[in-house]
Amino acid sequence: AQKVTQAQTEISVVEKEDVTLDCVYETRDTTYYLFWYKQPPSGELVFLIRRNSFDEQNEISGRYSWNFQKSTSSFNFTITASQVVDSAVYFCALSEGNYQLIWGAGTKLIIKP
Amino acid sequence: KAGVTQTPRYLIKTRGQQVTLSCSPISGHRSVSWYQQTPGQGLQFLFEYFSETQRNKGNFPGRFSGRQFSNSRSEMNVSTLELGDSALYLCASSLGTGGRYGYTFGSGTRLTVV
Repeated sequence: AQKVTQAQTEISVVEKEDVTLDCVYETRDTTYYLFWYKQPPSGELVFLIRRNSFDEQNEISGRYSWNFQKSTSSFNFTITASQVVDSAVYFCALSEGNYQLIWGAGTKLIIKP
Repeated sequence: KAGVTQTPRYLIKTRGQQVTLSCSPISGHRSVSWYQQTPGQGLQFLFEYFSETQRNKGNFPGRFSGRQFSNSRSEMNVSTLELGDSALYLCASSLGTGGRYGYTFGSGTRLTVV
């Protein structure tokens, strides 16, 4: 069965520290898609990245980077030089074909000034 | 390009009443999905509509229903409200069915049942 595990319920760091959010997934399909979403206190879920199972290249976007490793079924997200505005709940999700997204439980990230 | 619009933003209803929430997807997106988010249960999928047809359905009682119109706008209805229906209801639009294209979410409707 498909499953997404975000073992870190809450992470608290001081501003400018680097922080990594873990995501481990389970799937039997060879074709699948992985996502990260951010949910700030306002409530709206904001799309961050989509990665398909055939593309294991790491992605960097400004202070954000993603490490996709099929060998360990992980899709981890790193924020470099964190800022207070990064405080939010971050969700990892998995999609197989036409099926709905399987969501992780989310990691609440608190960046202290 | 306008985002996903959900109305209203906030609602307070009494147990036993019914409620209708509205969602206008991004122009060109024909798929609309609805999610319920509560602190205890996280994000739970309600249903998905594509071209006015329900394509996927989550594990919710029949009190929860939805529909989609020819312009892709969608509504969801909850009848005979219960206290446990208090939640943030999120609408998401997408190019196609299922989650593989990713979603664009609206700001949500926060429903409180008293």
